[in-house]
Amino acid sequence: AQKITQTQPGMFVQEKEAVTLDCTYDTSDPSYGLFWYKQPSSGEMIFLIYQGSYDQQNATEGRYSLNFQKARKSANLVISASQLGDSAMYFCAMREVTGTGGFKTIFGAGTRLFVKA
Amino acid sequence: GAGVSQSPRYKVAKRGQDVALRCDPISGHVSLFWYQQALGQGPEFLTYFQNEAQLDKSGLPSDRFFAERPEGSVSTLKIQRTQQEDSAVYLCASSLQGGYNSPLHFGNGTRLTVT
Repeated sequence: AQKITQTQPGMFVQEKEAVTLDCTYDTSDPSYGLFWYKQPSSGEMIFLIYQGSYDQQNATEGRYSLNFQKARKSANLVISASQLGDSAMYFCAMREVTGTGGFKTIFGAGTRLFVKA
Repeated sequence: GAGVSQSPRYKVAKRGQDVALRCDPISGHVSLFWYQQALGQGPEFLTYFQNEAQLDKSGLPSDRFFAERPEGSVSTLKIQRTQQEDSAVYLCASSLQGGYNSPLHFGNGTRLTVT
């Protein structure tokens, strides 16, 4: 079963505008962590932002914020004041404990963001 | 080193050959993960180590795939008798600890092409 769903294969945004990338997740575990990563065309995966399942406030990191709606199991990424360098693939990910007591991070299929000048 | 290092960066193998992919994590990072990423897709979990213990190998697609981390630092992903469907980018990631809030630090990946 798909645990991380990103419904937008591609998104366009005008430079300097804000954009929201959607992510929903599925877990029965009350404890988990949610992450967003950026993957430019060069291929490296870059950690952007983290939200814990018990965090009361939405996480923010510079121009990135995470709109966390726990009851809806939604963790959307908001990028404010888009820049041309934001053009990349964006992955939502969830970290949860496995049956063997370790931690596993699983990823969504990604959203490709195109920033237009 | 400053980041996660993977080698080789590119590997071309003939179908049926064995390959070994190396990952050198950030020093002191307890957890190490291997992922397989097909073109245009998200990373798919393969296996996970905490120190030298392989705690989860549920994502390994077949018994041709084998991973080890004998001393709790460097890890090797081995693929025996490679098939064309094994062609992908193999990403290694490490994290400082095993908790919910520890982000993954990725290497640049090894692009495997099986001909």
